Amino acid sequence: DADVTQTPRNRITKTGKRIMLECSQTKGHDRMYWYRQDPGLGLRLIYYSFDVKDINKGEISDGYSVSRQAQAKFSLSLESAIPNQTALYFCATSDMDRGGYTFGSGTRLTVV
Amino acid sequence: GNSVTQMEGPVTLSEEAFLTINCTYTATGYPSLFWYVQYPGEGLQLLLKATKADDKGSNKGFEATYRKETTSFHLEKGSVQVSDSAVYFCALYGGATNKLIFGTGTLLAVQP
Repeated sequence: DADVTQTPRNRITKTGKRIMLECSQTKGHDRMYWYRQDPGLGLRLIYYSFDVKDINKGEISDGYSVSRQAQAKFSLSLESAIPNQTALYFCATSDMDRGGYTFGSGTRLTVV
Repeated sequence: GNSVTQMEGPVTLSEEAFLTINCTYTATGYPSLFWYVQYPGEGLQLLLKATKADDKGSNKGFEATYRKETTSFHLEKGSVQVSDSAVYFCALYGGATNKLIFGTGTLLAVQP
């Protein structure tokens, strides 16, 4: 099994629908992150969590929310999806303040 | 604030050619520097890192040296292979932030 598992791998949804992307990890890391990847823009941080009771906004949190259900689980929700949220979404984990992240394989989300 | 600038792609090379992908950074304090690689359809993987000035990170034939005087961390490989075709991301961690900040990525295409 992968260290960081994202589900679903691909999803097509309609404008206005609520959708949840899930991430689970077996690394035992405290820190988890959600990034969004768009062509030409690199990866941009949406939300991050340093432990179960700690949730922080990243640079592009508007339109998104997160839930840290346990140390191993960190989900990202789009309350009302819009087409410009079409992107590749990555979850990542790290265990210390050193910057070595482990990434999931990504969720490709298309909002039509 | 902290930022990373890397050369735009795509970079197209023939097999066994020499590779350089430029990366420069802006940061307060003393950040750690990273190169991540993303193969088609996959998440990002840590390729190499350097945590202080003059350190050289290396892995799989790739190298990068942390140059504080020029604020650079250029990625090099002496002889690329078709299997090196991927998107390469430069990133920094630390300084005034406790999150990984990515460049926009450089697509490398190696032709046989």
